[in-house]
Amino acid sequence: QQPVQSPQAVILREGEDAVINCSSSKALYSVHWYRQKHGEAPVFLMILLKGGEQKGHEKISASFNEKKQQSSLYLTASQLSYSGTYFCGTLSGNTPLVFGKGTRLSVIA
Amino acid sequence: DGGITQSPKYLFRKEGQNVTLSCEQNLNHDAMYWYRQDPGQGLRLIYYSQIVNDFQKGDIAEGYSVSREKKESFPLTVTSAQKNPTAFYLCASRQTGGTDTQYFGPGTRLTVL
Repeated sequence: QQPVQSPQAVILREGEDAVINCSSSKALYSVHWYRQKHGEAPVFLMILLKGGEQKGHEKISASFNEKKQQSSLYLTASQLSYSGTYFCGTLSGNTPLVFGKGTRLSVIA
Repeated sequence: DGGITQSPKYLFRKEGQNVTLSCEQNLNHDAMYWYRQDPGQGLRLIYYSQIVNDFQKGDIAEGYSVSREKKESFPLTVTSAQKNPTAFYLCASRQTGGTDTQYFGPGTRLTVL
């Protein structure tokens, strides 16, 4: 089943914080987060693994609640470059990633 | 440079014609995937392959076909049976362990006239 992302869209001023949520009805092994700019391919941000390990490389943090099968992406002190659509992809086993419909984030000056 | 290449970047075709989109990776990944993205929509899985000479249908395989004759290549053919083929097509690859990052190619934007 496709994970559910919320909110669908959010507008921030530079410097404000945002949280994007991703929830699944299936038991998850990992959650993968991506950001996509208009007309470009999604770019990897972070993996959250069952057991709490994180793998990522940007100034963005995330959490993974195994009991609720939910992940949250935290964007702090947002910059104009944070604008884009954020997707979560969930992995439940030896199956392909299933992506949510995305959250459109707009950061304005 | 290691990565995934897709060609062409833009493709225009007349209705009723088959068209093949190229996807090549030099990351030595076992698994490769094709996604379709429509404006304002998420990523929908068309086909995937976890090993050479084997592939599985995704959620929207009707009107598409693939082959996986080599580990590094996973071409997608959009056939005339696909009723609405105009979309952004993304190829991706990943090692099949759950901790491994999935990488995307730059995409091909197909427009059917």
